[in-house]
Amino acid sequence: AQTVTQSQPEMSVQEAETVTLSCTYDTSESDYYLFWYKQPPSRQMILVIRQEAYKQQNATENRFSVNFQKAAKSFSLKISDSQLGDAAMYFCAYRSNNAGNMLTFGGGTRLMVKP
Amino acid sequence: DSGVTQTPKHLITATGQRVTLRCSPRSGDLSVYWYQQSLDQGLQFLIQYYNGEERAKGNILERFSAQQFPDLHSELNLSSLELGDSALYFCASGPSLSYEQYFGPGTRLTVT
Repeated sequence: AQTVTQSQPEMSVQEAETVTLSCTYDTSESDYYLFWYKQPPSRQMILVIRQEAYKQQNATENRFSVNFQKAAKSFSLKISDSQLGDAAMYFCAYRSNNAGNMLTFGGGTRLMVKP
Repeated sequence: DSGVTQTPKHLITATGQRVTLRCSPRSGDLSVYWYQQSLDQGLQFLIQYYNGEERAKGNILERFSAQQFPDLHSELNLSSLELGDSALYFCASGPSLSYEQYFGPGTRLTVT
C-alpha cells in the first residue's frame, strides 16, 4: 500500500515571502499522480496543483509550483509571494492509476502567513 | 464552488442511530468517492463508485454502506453510530477514472 508523509505539521511564512512544504511518498508503482490540496478554515478541499509521474517537467500554477523528484519519491510545494489567503492546511495526495484511483493523503501541514 | 453538492451540511445524532449523507456530483462526472476526515485518522478513503458500480473499497466499516443511483447521485449510509464516527465526510467526483477529483463542502457529523 502507498503511504504519504508530510513531516512538517506547521509552517509559517512572512507575507510576500516564499515557503516550501515537503511531502514524501512510498510506492512500488511507476505510473501515478500527485496532488496538493488546500483546506482553508471553511474546510473546503481545493485542488492546488497536480503532477503526472511520467512528466519530468515540474507543474506550475501561478504562484504555486512543485519540485518533483521521482527517484527520491519527493513532491514539495513552493508558494511564492505568499498572501494572507494562503493560510490553510495543505495536504499532499497520491493517486494510483490502477484499479480504484482513490487518493491517499498525507497528514497535512498547517501554513500560517504573517502580515 | 467545485460543483459538487452535499447535504446536509451538519448532522447531530445520538449513538446507535442511522443517518444518510447525500452527494450530487458535478454535471457529467461518473465517478464518486467518499472520504472521512477525523482528528484521529486524518483523511481516509472510504469507497468509490463509477457509473453506478462499486469500484473500490478502502477503510470502510461494515456498519457503513453506500450506493450510486442511475442519476449518478450517491448516498452514504452510516448505522449503529458510535462516538468515534464523528467526522467530516467528503464526497468527491471526477469525469472518469483517470482524472482529478473535485470535493464537495462536506457533511459534518457529530455523534453524541
